Amino acid sequence: AQKVTQAQTEISVVEKEDVTLDCVYETRDTTYYLFWYKQPPSGELVFLIRRNSFDEQNEISGRYSWNFQKSTSSFNFTITASQVVDSAVYFCALTGSSNTGKLIFGQGTTLQVKP
Amino acid sequence: KAGVTQTPRYLIKTRGQQVTLSCSPISGHRSVSWYQQTPGQGLQFLFEYFSETQRNKGNFPGRFSGRQFSNSRSEMNVSTLELGDSALYLCASSLAGLGANTGELFFGEGSRLTVL
Repeated sequence: AQKVTQAQTEISVVEKEDVTLDCVYETRDTTYYLFWYKQPPSGELVFLIRRNSFDEQNEISGRYSWNFQKSTSSFNFTITASQVVDSAVYFCALTGSSNTGKLIFGQGTTLQVKP
Repeated sequence: KAGVTQTPRYLIKTRGQQVTLSCSPISGHRSVSWYQQTPGQGLQFLFEYFSETQRNKGNFPGRFSGRQFSNSRSEMNVSTLELGDSALYLCASSLAGLGANTGELFFGEGSRLTVL
């Protein structure tokens, strides 16, 4: 069975601090795909990144960076110099199949960035 | 281009009633997925439709059903509502699903259902 664990339920930081959101996944599939989504108060899930299991290259996009480590089944997300607008719920998700609209989500991490 | 549109945004029903939620995907997208979000269970996959056919189904009772029309618009229906069905129902669309090398789900803002 597939499973995604986000052990951090809530994180509170002060603006400009760096923060890392942890994601650990379980799957028996040899090929799988990992995602991060952001959910602001409006409710809509906003896509942040997709990583394929065969591509272990880390990624940086502005203040956001992702560290994918197959050896530890982790796909962590770091926000550098956090801003108040980063406050949201962040979800890590997994799918083991292509041609599907099914994602297995973690429980989410609520990030509060205080001014 | 317009995003995923869900209607209604908010609704209140009583136990035993049934409800129909609508989702208009992004133009050109043929895959529509539905998710239920609750504080206790989090985000759970309900089902996915592709070209008017159900392609995947989550672990929900038969009271939850859906369909997709030829224009890719989708509806989901919940019959005999229970208190536990209170949730945010999210619809997501994609071109053809999560492909081998690309693909992402675009989500709507959801329909918040309250069952009294």
